[in-house]
Amino acid sequence: GQQVMQIPQYQHVQEGEDFTTYCNSSTTLSNIQWYKQRPGGHPVFLIQLVKSGEVKKQKRLTFQFGEAKKNSSLHITATQTTDVGTYFCAGSIGALNFGKGTSLLVTP
Amino acid sequence: DTEVTQTPKHLVMGMTNKKSLKCEQHMGHRAMYWYKQKAKKPPELMFVYSYEKLSINESVPSRFSPECPNSSLLNLHLHALQPEDSALYLCASSLDRGFTDTQYFGPGTRLTVL
Repeated sequence: GQQVMQIPQYQHVQEGEDFTTYCNSSTTLSNIQWYKQRPGGHPVFLIQLVKSGEVKKQKRLTFQFGEAKKNSSLHITATQTTDVGTYFCAGSIGALNFGKGTSLLVTP
Repeated sequence: DTEVTQTPKHLVMGMTNKKSLKCEQHMGHRAMYWYKQKAKKPPELMFVYSYEKLSINESVPSRFSPECPNSSLLNLHLHALQPEDSALYLCASSLDRGFTDTQYFGPGTRLTVL
């Protein structure tokens, strides 16, 4: 089926550093959703982007949807230990296609 | 109520056992989903129910049998599973089946097949 590619697979940062994860699709997406999964937990919905070029912010998190609706990014400013987890993008191309996720580790 | 509940939280079963996983939501959502998630992997879609009817079966083996008794409940019946079926089984729901709606995930059932 259609794929949503997500990079990097892992990211290890010092607390206070910034973090970015990227998603790309070869096909135009209807929308893109972002989820966070803490270790041992389940995916929790963060945000949905629908419009071309859309940018949304949630405190230290900034989400962007590309102009062509084929790529998206999640940027965290000044990471904290509570940001630890795996961040998944999920692109809507008929069905919801999850990226492989980026596992973020934050060292105090 | 914005919660999807799943029972049991953990399940250990032998390959000859029959067990069922249960999922419930009271958000008035008309689409419900079963996903399978292996460690360090994204959720993989198994089944989609829309308005209590099975609308998508992602070529899942027949040893997994879904059931939607009503709009709030979703079951997954398990029979003659294999050790490689051990995984986290997630239930999710959304307002409708268009996949453009937010999916709300339950906490999952962590299944171990011996």
